Amino acid sequence: GQSLEQPSEVTAVEGAIVQINCTYQTSGFYGLSWYQQHDGGAPTFLSYNALDGLEETGRFSSFLSRSDSYGYLLLQELQMKDSASYFCAVRMDSSYKLIFGSGTRLLVRP
Amino acid sequence: EPEVTQTPSHQVTQMGQEVILRCVPISNHLYFYWYRQILGQKVEFLVSFYNNEISEKSEIFDDQFSVERPDGSNFTLKIRSTKLEDSAMYFCASSGQGKGGRLDEQFFGPGTRLTVL
Repeated sequence: GQSLEQPSEVTAVEGAIVQINCTYQTSGFYGLSWYQQHDGGAPTFLSYNALDGLEETGRFSSFLSRSDSYGYLLLQELQMKDSASYFCAVRMDSSYKLIFGSGTRLLVRP
Repeated sequence: EPEVTQTPSHQVTQMGQEVILRCVPISNHLYFYWYRQILGQKVEFLVSFYNNEISEKSEIFDDQFSVERPDGSNFTLKIRSTKLEDSAMYFCASSGQGKGGRLDEQFFGPGTRLTVL
């Protein structure tokens, strides 16, 4: 079967930096996405990595190591509004379906 | 900014009844998806749809489920005979903008909360 592992919960202070890790074991791999979901809301796209390395988009960065089957989402200058669940998701093959991890609940404290 | 819309926002039904969940994907997107999320759990892929046919479906998407694009804008998910375990949030998503479009970024709708009693 396919599995994606991420921590269930992370707590950090406003203004700090937090890293959310994701390791995956899937029968195929095209790329790793990250989505943010606020309580009661829809998942919203944050990033997609198909190649090894770091991609930066404002306060958020995402990293991928294909050889280690590992990626992470880095959130800098944390704000209260960043409190949400963060899901990594693998695109396994030429289709664009996503296999999601169980999500990491991030709580940002003042 | 274009967005995916879904109706209704909440549907309550009796076990064994048929439900149709409706979605309007972003116009000029090419790929459409249905996902579901049981309360407190991860998002699960159900089905993808491209070029007016199913391109892939998961083991969850059994004979009780069907999808349709009845016109140029709507995309529907039908559950023929609902079961208690079908209670979940159902998300529609779309991606791709034709030439040069980004297919790996999926835009999700706000979801339909289905409650089966």
